[in-house]
Amino acid sequence: QSVLTQPPSASGTPGQRVTISCSGGSSNIGTNSVNWYQQLPRTAPKVLIYSNSQRPSGVPDRFSGSKSGTSASLAISGLQSEDEADYYCAAWDDSLNGRVFGGGTKLTVL
Amino acid sequence: VQLVESGGGLVQPGGSLRLSCAASGFSFSIYEMNWVRQAPGKGLEWVSYISSASGGIFYAASVKGRFTISRDNAKKSLYLQMNSLRAEDTAVYYCAREMSDSIGYALDYWGQGTLVTVSS
Repeated sequence: QSVLTQPPSASGTPGQRVTISCSGGSSNIGTNSVNWYQQLPRTAPKVLIYSNSQRPSGVPDRFSGSKSGTSASLAISGLQSEDEADYYCAAWDDSLNGRVFGGGTKLTVL
Repeated sequence: VQLVESGGGLVQPGGSLRLSCAASGFSFSIYEMNWVRQAPGKGLEWVSYISSASGGIFYAASVKGRFTISRDNAKKSLYLQMNSLRAEDTAVYYCAREMSDSIGYALDYWGQGTLVTVSS
């Protein structure tokens, strides 16, 4: 059972906008910033969003992040087939004194 | 930037293993580093963090007391000493660089991972 809760799956058609949620608590998302990682099949994870809504250089602006209270969301607009991957949220947890990841959401592009 | 893990393999329950991560292409000594693992078919699990000068170290509850993170800045290397290994430690272990700026932080570069299998 992950500290951060994500839906196990999400799907959309090419061009569509999809959102992935990440629910936490006061000791993690409620207090600290959220990062999002994308893991393509058989590859290492890659950071998509950091500090709730910041995109590292090279990440398309189709990807956006937001945070409200103890929840965060990742939105992907103009869905493309290459977006089919696993997505993870992450944050520092003050109670656990460590980083926590969500369980991951498998995105399928129909 | 390149991170290359090594040292994985098959080990019996209760055994030990030392993972290494060789860094190149950046100033290793000024970056904080992490180990993250992924069990077969499962999600990501953060394992441990070490600050640039080794003054700050944190562990996940699942490995605390059994694993030890360390680094050698002169050798540009990160290590994870794993003792009292259990079947549930079976996973691909990634080393990851932590970048931080005025806005926040992120694990911005990851190695390709090394597989640790704990089985009799």
